[in-house]
Amino acid sequence: AQSVTQLGSHVSVSEGALVLLRCNYSSSVPPYLFWYVQYPNQGLQLLLKYTSAATLVKGINGFEAEFKKSETSFHLTKPSAHMSDAAEYFCAVSDESFQKLVFGTGTRLLVSP
Amino acid sequence: DTAVSQTPKYLVTQMGNDKSIKCEQNLGHDTMYWYKQDSKKFLKIMFSYNNKELIINETVPNRFSPKSPDKAHLNLHINSLELGDSAVYFCASSPMDRGNSPLHFGNGTRLTVT
Repeated sequence: AQSVTQLGSHVSVSEGALVLLRCNYSSSVPPYLFWYVQYPNQGLQLLLKYTSAATLVKGINGFEAEFKKSETSFHLTKPSAHMSDAAEYFCAVSDESFQKLVFGTGTRLLVSP
Repeated sequence: DTAVSQTPKYLVTQMGNDKSIKCEQNLGHDTMYWYKQDSKKFLKIMFSYNNKELIINETVPNRFSPKSPDKAHLNLHINSLELGDSAVYFCASSPMDRGNSPLHFGNGTRLTVT
């Protein structure tokens, strides 16, 4: 079955520093992969998705993610963190039937001044 | 505004009661979902409907009954509420029931069962 592992339940960075949120997936078929962001008391918003086109995917708010098949990874990065990036980030993979998304346990990004 | 909207935002009730959460999307999407987010923020799918037809029922207790009167609405009725039902319930929609189709989420309903 498809699954997603997000390493680190919390990641702390200083404003202006590089953001790196890790996601590894397990999939028996070529996966569709997603990153979502959840701000406090809100629903999830799509940041970006990988659907087998370019391996480097650019999303909203300056985020991007690189699909690495050899490492089964889809890490999320942003060159320079902003205070407004503080939120919960979820990686997700489509299941083998492609009918639903399986979410990781989330990583809380904390940004300090 | 185009969106997925769900009501109520907060729901506090006692064990044994029956409650409903409503969801509406005006995005023209064919597929709607209910997800449950527990206190550890883990998100798990409960149900999905495609054009009013049940597609996924993810071994949810039959106290939970979704109803889709039309493809723009998916309501969730919960009977005999239990303490363990306390969670945030998210409605979502997508253009189609395929895994490459991104989900659009509502803002959630925080259910507290006392």
